[in-house]
Amino acid sequence: QLQLQESGSGLVEPSQTLSLTCAVSGVSINNVDFSWSWFRQPPGKGLEWIGYIHQSASTLYTPSLKSRLTIGADLSKNQFSLNLTSVTAADTAVYYCARNQYDRRGKYPPYFDYWGQGILVTVSS
Amino acid sequence: QSALTQSPSVSGAPGQRVTISCTGSSSNIGAGYDVHWYQQLPGTAPKVLIYSNNNRPSGVPDRFSGSKSGTSASLAISGLQAEDEADYYCQSYDSSLNIYVFGTGTKVTVL
Repeated sequence: QLQLQESGSGLVEPSQTLSLTCAVSGVSINNVDFSWSWFRQPPGKGLEWIGYIHQSASTLYTPSLKSRLTIGADLSKNQFSLNLTSVTAADTAVYYCARNQYDRRGKYPPYFDYWGQGILVTVSS
Repeated sequence: QSALTQSPSVSGAPGQRVTISCTGSSSNIGAGYDVHWYQQLPGTAPKVLIYSNNNRPSGVPDRFSGSKSGTSASLAISGLQAEDEADYYCQSYDSSLNIYVFGTGTKVTVL
């Protein structure tokens, strides 16, 4: 059974770096058929896609965060990560990781079929 | 501001049918990109309900159905049940922004 689990600091001081890891079990993150995404959801608000990584090399980031964002992967641990620098209170949110599933019929975009349970990150001093 | 707009809330009595709309533009839904729908129960991660406009993953009841036309898409819930009370989001891709986009979300209330 495929499972994703986020971990990291739940409290980050303003101007510091938010670092999260998503541990994946049940499938290799190096599998060519899938990509792996990060999302966030501020309290009481909607979902925002942040970015994805494919086969530990190819990435795509949302432009609004691109200058502060790095998504990486550790194949030896089968996990991928998110680093967001220079955080402010506006970065306070529940952060989720998920798998990108591509429709075999060549349709686009992918949908997100397996999700982690989410981790609340609060930016505060 | 999201590229996909949804009505903030819809409500219905048990057994009724409700419809949630998702309005986009020529750079996302209108460009032919697929629409997916998610259900988010309070305090939980989203769950995919409909993928590629009108396909249900295994385990999703056939009370849920999706459609797409022009620059809009819709999710219909028939035979509304108390357990359907949740937030629902549409999702697609926007070529002008080059990002995956979610709708603004619709809260479904079962009266």
